Amino acid sequence: DGGITQSPKYLFRKEGQNVTLSCEQNLNHDAMYWYRQDPGQGLRLIYYSQIVNDFQKGDIAEGYSVSREKKESFPLTVTSAQKNPTAFYLCATATGGPYEQYFGPGTRLTVT
Amino acid sequence: AQSVAQPEDQVNVAEGNPLTVKCTYSVSGNPYLFWYVQYPNRGLQFLLKYITGDNLVKGSYGFEAEFNKSQTSFHLKKPSALVSDSALYFCAVRDINSGYALNFGKGTSLLVTP
Repeated sequence: DGGITQSPKYLFRKEGQNVTLSCEQNLNHDAMYWYRQDPGQGLRLIYYSQIVNDFQKGDIAEGYSVSREKKESFPLTVTSAQKNPTAFYLCATATGGPYEQYFGPGTRLTVT
Repeated sequence: AQSVAQPEDQVNVAEGNPLTVKCTYSVSGNPYLFWYVQYPNRGLQFLLKYITGDNLVKGSYGFEAEFNKSQTSFHLKKPSALVSDSALYFCAVRDINSGYALNFGKGTSLLVTP
């Protein structure tokens, strides 16, 4: 997990509230990714960014938004439009190209 | 589309025995394949990758994987399992159409018993 921080580790919110998950990296990697993990479903891609000020939707972007104003930071906002936001959220970075990604420790979001 | 499949939800093995966690892939073009491990409530840790070259890839913690093009498989192996190897294992393939994001299998839970 070194070099990538996600905060907080656990997050609780009421239904209808927007919430922002933090992802910061000091690896100087260009690419950053957000995945959602649900039991028995593996990880699914929410958004990705290959360069500052640019990002693209992944497979399950509905109800989420991101920004990439700095190379080091890629925050994810879970909006009230996300139907089932309770999940484990993982941020990852990569140097670019077909090489391995490095993952942060994750944030477990619970919405009630 | 680039995808991988992990046919086993759980694998049980006794400590000291060899272990295999299975993965098959479906890709167009050259596959970029990865194995990751996840311990409870933690992020994923990279174990090994296949990009090109030797079909037997060696990785972290004594793990290795065999790339088999004819069987479109990339099985994870270890000659002698440890109790501490008990974790969730993910196979993944790099998707060039999504900024080289990873497409994951559903994961295989490995339980090593003493």
